[in-house]
Amino acid sequence: SQQGEEDPQALSIQEGENATMNCSYKTSINNLQWYRQNSGRGLVHLILIRSNEREKHSGRLRVTLDTSKKSSSLLITASRAADTASYFCASAVLVGKLIFGQGTTLQVKP
Amino acid sequence: DAGITQSPRHKVTETGTPVTLRCHQTENHRYMYWYRQDPGHGLRLIHYSYGVKDTDKGEVSDGYSVSRSKTEDFLLTLESATSSQTSVYFCAISESRSGAGDTQYFGPGTRLTVL
Repeated sequence: SQQGEEDPQALSIQEGENATMNCSYKTSINNLQWYRQNSGRGLVHLILIRSNEREKHSGRLRVTLDTSKKSSSLLITASRAADTASYFCASAVLVGKLIFGQGTTLQVKP
Repeated sequence: DAGITQSPRHKVTETGTPVTLRCHQTENHRYMYWYRQDPGHGLRLIHYSYGVKDTDKGEVSDGYSVSRSKTEDFLLTLESATSSQTSVYFCAISESRSGAGDTQYFGPGTRLTVL
């Protein structure tokens, strides 16, 4: 069964706008991670937020985690055409595996 | 993709034939994983390894076997390929168990088509 559900499935914005992606999960986690995948490539790790953290920043990325709602969000500020990719959340469950969501496809138009 | 290679990168085979995919790492990471990626399903874990000769099943292990005789190599075998195994296969590595917080690093993927 899928641990992570992502919303929206697809997002199209103009360059310079902010992009927000949401992720929900079902069971207790050790941490939650976000990955990016460019077309035809492997996934690349973006950021990790631990279960005892509520917010984390990395450059233009901001991740929040609400363990009471079992949800996380990824905000990309001042988006660029190069941010066009698929974004996946992955929950690190206590048994030691990553469970990935289905991903959000982001298109940033120049 | 640095430090992780997958071979072959593309393969077309026929139903019923055996197929072996190879993942090779130069990072000396302990954990290695095989995933498949399909539209509408995201990434699903097939098998993983937590050391030489130590492997365990993932979410979608039926029809697949793995072997790890050396730290750097993790093989995925489809004993008798079926059309439902047409997919993109990704290998990943991590220094320790994901539940402990380590991130995973992914290879470039292998696109397998079973006719």
